[in-house]
Amino acid sequence: DGGITQSPKYLFRKEGQNVTLSCEQNLNHDAMYWYRQDPGQGLRLIYYSQIVNDFQKGDIAEGYSVSREKKESFPLTVTSAQKNPTAFYLCASTEGRDQPQHFGDGTRLSIL
Amino acid sequence: GQNIDQPTEMTATEGAIVQINCTYQTSGFNGLFWYQQHAGEAPTFLSYNVLDGLEEKGRFSSFLSRSKGYSYLLLKELQMKDSASYLCAVRGAGYSTLTFGKGTMLLVSP
Repeated sequence: DGGITQSPKYLFRKEGQNVTLSCEQNLNHDAMYWYRQDPGQGLRLIYYSQIVNDFQKGDIAEGYSVSREKKESFPLTVTSAQKNPTAFYLCASTEGRDQPQHFGDGTRLSIL
Repeated sequence: GQNIDQPTEMTATEGAIVQINCTYQTSGFNGLFWYQQHAGEAPTFLSYNVLDGLEEKGRFSSFLSRSKGYSYLLLKELQMKDSASYLCAVRGAGYSTLTFGKGTMLLVSP
């Protein structure tokens, strides 16, 4: 089955620690996205990538970093510079500009 | 900039019809999407409008008026499983990204 896989489902971070969230898709989609969702809020865009080896900052990129070395993979690193990282993180991909974004099941990040 | 407004919460009864409104002010417009999100889960795609008018998909319909910056999602024959958050998202001038509203939490009661 084609889809988007995010791992882990739950992640805990210690103060001062970087953590990496995985996002893999086998849909052959060019564009991939990372969003953050806080309770009672909509989705806010962190980073997006339209092609391998290229990515752009979204609305809330500070404290985050990404890479896009392969079409299938778009990992997100939450750095220690992100002072309020507790949130639900969603990865998405899309086939084209008139097509909907499809989402992974998300990773819930908490601070120890 | 982009601004998208939706009601925060709505309640309805099983079997009824409910309309969830979305108004937007964006720099450019290239389509509006509706998503459903159950608590703790990922959003799932419901509908897409890029031209004015009504799009129907089974129990769900979505309407768009570009001149008014307005859309609504119509849910008919409500079921308990329709209790969820409904997100309105607009694609602006750049085509590349979506801007999401904060979502409308719909509670369906027996």
